[in-house]
Amino acid sequence: GQQVMQIPQYQHVQEGEDFTTYCNSSTTLSNIQWYKQRPGGHPVFLIQLVKSGEVKKQKRLTFQFGEAKKNSSLHITATQTTDVGTYFCAGARMDSNYQLIWGAGTKLIIKP
Amino acid sequence: KAGVTQTPRYLIKTRGQQVTLSCSPISGHRSVSWYQQTPGQGLQFLFEYFSETQRNKGNFPGRFSGRQFSNSRSEMNVSTLELGDSALYLCASSLHGQVLYEQYFGPGTRLTVT
Repeated sequence: GQQVMQIPQYQHVQEGEDFTTYCNSSTTLSNIQWYKQRPGGHPVFLIQLVKSGEVKKQKRLTFQFGEAKKNSSLHITATQTTDVGTYFCAGARMDSNYQLIWGAGTKLIIKP
Repeated sequence: KAGVTQTPRYLIKTRGQQVTLSCSPISGHRSVSWYQQTPGQGLQFLFEYFSETQRNKGNFPGRFSGRQFSNSRSEMNVSTLELGDSALYLCASSLHGQVLYEQYFGPGTRLTVT
């Protein structure tokens, strides 16, 4: 069935280290969205990628969409405590019937 | 602009009962999607409504149903509650649809079934 695999499930980092989460789809996506959910909160939209090979930056966050539009990544440089939360990707298949397929999320944990 | 609101925020029900959750989208948004979130399962898509029509449905049993009104407000109903229905139910609104437009999530309704 249609799936978007997101890895890793958890990532523990020291504050100041980098963080990366990856999403991989078995089928070509028309676009992919990224959301962040803080502990106890609700998902908040971060960005949408549409074009093949697209790279977008938001301060310390870098989002990439693969050339084949089957994978995407989110990279955070020099993590801060405010980055803590779960990051979700959600992709739409090329033949989508208007439905996003969500990754399982990657939980970013800052080691004390 | 007011955000997405959901009522009630917390609910405790008994197995076998039914429940109705409400979602008011951001003004002007025509699409409302519903999700179930549990600690081990992430975000599971329930359905999306657009202009009062169900446009898409996830893999949930028929006990889960919804509707959307002409003012875009949406309700979700779960009948014959089971213990496994305990979860955070989130609704999200978007301008024209979840695929191409960012979704704005509400705070959720936390349902506990005992």
